[in-house]
Amino acid sequence: NAGVTQTPKFQVLKTGQSMTLQCAQDMNHEYMSWYRQDPGMGLRLIHYSVGAGITDQGEVPNGYNVSRSTTEDFPLRLLSAAPSQTSVYFCASSPGIGELFFGEGSRLTVL
Amino acid sequence: GESVGLHLPTLSVQEGDNSIINCAYSNSASDYFIWYKQESGKGPQFIIDIRSNMDKRQGQRVTVLLNKTVKHLSLQIAATQPGDSAVYFCAASPGGAGNMLTFGGGTRLMVKP
Repeated sequence: NAGVTQTPKFQVLKTGQSMTLQCAQDMNHEYMSWYRQDPGMGLRLIHYSVGAGITDQGEVPNGYNVSRSTTEDFPLRLLSAAPSQTSVYFCASSPGIGELFFGEGSRLTVL
Repeated sequence: GESVGLHLPTLSVQEGDNSIINCAYSNSASDYFIWYKQESGKGPQFIIDIRSNMDKRQGQRVTVLLNKTVKHLSLQIAATQPGDSAVYFCAASPGGAGNMLTFGGGTRLMVKP
């Protein structure tokens, strides 16, 4: 059982470039979410989804887009990367009540 | 909204001693709390959770205590081992749904042999 899989694990972008962080889960969880983690800070919620076709904003949504066309996948898009988006990104899923299951993270550097 | 903070950014303990990591939250409407462990280069892993209708919950070598009066929770690790070295996060949620968790800044636990 793979759980939550994130790709890529590492990425370097130039300012203004776009990219998509992929997230897939095989646990049939309805809830999926994206967090970013910065040094000395806790995880901050970017966007989340309560099911296929439904997404909503979290605490820090600016500069990021998401979509949820299937239960399994929840990609995070950066349309025009900025140095302030340098961070480690975690995707997580949940059955709805209880713990979040996290992926291994994607480390993004924007130059 | 909710803000969650840990009392100490770093905690150093001797192997075999008990560890206590403390956390405070601000929103009295929060009714679900969870502790995560994050090892270097990995995603957070679930340790234990507790709902607001409980004061204490025990797992294997871990205990979470919740004091709703002062909006404080703690994680106790018995007989701390080198493998317990990691960053520990507490998180709170108003409704039990995992996607609405607000995380604290984390406490790094260092275990001295």
